[in-house]
Amino acid sequence: GAVVSQHPSRVICKSGTSVKIECRSLDFQATTMFWYRQFPKQSLMLMATSNEGSKATYEQGVEKDKFLINHASLTLSTLTVTSAHPEDSSFYICSARGANYGYTFGSGTRLTVV
Amino acid sequence: GQQLNQSPQSMFIQEGEDVSMNCTSSSIFNTWLWYKQDPGEGPVLLIALYKAGELTSNGRLTAQFGITRKDSFLNISASIPSDVGIYFCAGQLGSGAGSYQLTFGKGTKLSVIP
Repeated sequence: GAVVSQHPSRVICKSGTSVKIECRSLDFQATTMFWYRQFPKQSLMLMATSNEGSKATYEQGVEKDKFLINHASLTLSTLTVTSAHPEDSSFYICSARGANYGYTFGSGTRLTVV
Repeated sequence: GQQLNQSPQSMFIQEGEDVSMNCTSSSIFNTWLWYKQDPGEGPVLLIALYKAGELTSNGRLTAQFGITRKDSFLNISASIPSDVGIYFCAGQLGSGAGSYQLTFGKGTKLSVIP
């Protein structure tokens, strides 16, 4: 079956620093990748959609300069949280979709900004 | 944007009991998906539904795609302790701009009492 690997699973960073989260499709080509944010006891909130080789499309209210998304290849997308602040602390989840493959989610990244 | 109303929000049941949860929407969806999320993990796909009226089973799980394409339910029979988790429904529009995005319900938290 389709597998999506997301790293790191947990990260603690200092306020003002940047953090990069990687999302890889291991056994299929992901033409589209999605990045979600999930607050405790809440549902997944779509942040942005990225297609390989093109700019990501951000949802309303999501700052594109703060949450940089790069989808440079068909198997890798990265989310960089720039100049992180405590309010950016959250659970970030990626999802990949490819031809003949439905939506497969990564295992998530718990970001804590101190 | 589209919204999915998922109910119940939470439920406590005895081991061995059957469980039912559902999602409704004011929008028509072309695909309905049901996911389970364990704490600190990404969602895992349980059942995917692609046709109105479709009834699909996966072990003790059964889900149906409503005839109106605006609703879906998930049943779990003979619950066991490992069924504990949060269950999310998700719908995909399937046509037009942003059609590959998933809209998530708010989740149903299931607790199983041994």
